[in-house]
Amino acid sequence: QVQLQESGPGLVKPSETLSLTCTVSGFSITNDNYWAWVRQSPGKGLEWIGAVCHGGDTHYNPSLKSRVTISMDTSTNQFSLRVSSVTAADTAVYYCARRTKVVVRGSHWHFDLWGRGTLVTVSS
Amino acid sequence: DIQMTQSPSSLSASVGDRVTITCRASQDINSYLAWFQQKPGKAPKPLIYAASSLQSGVPSKFSGSGSGTDFTLTISGLQPEDFATYHCQQYHTYPLTFGGGTKVEIK
Repeated sequence: QVQLQESGPGLVKPSETLSLTCTVSGFSITNDNYWAWVRQSPGKGLEWIGAVCHGGDTHYNPSLKSRVTISMDTSTNQFSLRVSSVTAADTAVYYCARRTKVVVRGSHWHFDLWGRGTLVTVSS
Repeated sequence: DIQMTQSPSSLSASVGDRVTITCRASQDINSYLAWFQQKPGKAPKPLIYAASSLQSGVPSKFSGSGSGTDFTLTISGLQPEDFATYHCQQYHTYPLTFGGGTKVEIK
């Protein structure tokens, strides 16, 4: 069974760097997929942060691009998120997710699997 | 960025009802649209991709339609487990963007 599991500190101080890891089990991250991060601030909607694929291709949300790095570690079958210079506005539940391609009336890279999410609070 | 606007933001319905949620994109996204169901404290659950294709294991009471800028999600025969928040999402253009969500509540 394929599973994604987020891990990392639940509390980060303002101006510091938020670091999270997503461990993928039952599926190799070297397969042809995008591995993404999405966050949801308390009571708010979903915000796509960015994604990486095994070929090294990365995409970031321009609203966060200057502060975000997403990377992969194929030896541990994990991918990671770093957000620098955090503020209270970065407090959110962070989800990792997989995008898979299906060809039906075009190539559809859709989210088909999500982790359970982890709450990160930015506070001193 | 492509803006995704859902309506209504919330609705009340009874068990057995048929409900329709609308999602409008600020520009043409062809059929590159997905729908998700989210319950409190849980991750979004994929329901539909390519505007109308059901994810594996999703019951046929969920259906999607539309193309271009206007899309709908219909739930037939609403059951207690269907009361949740529903999100649309476009994947036509980066950055990927989501609608604000529609909360389906029990009347």
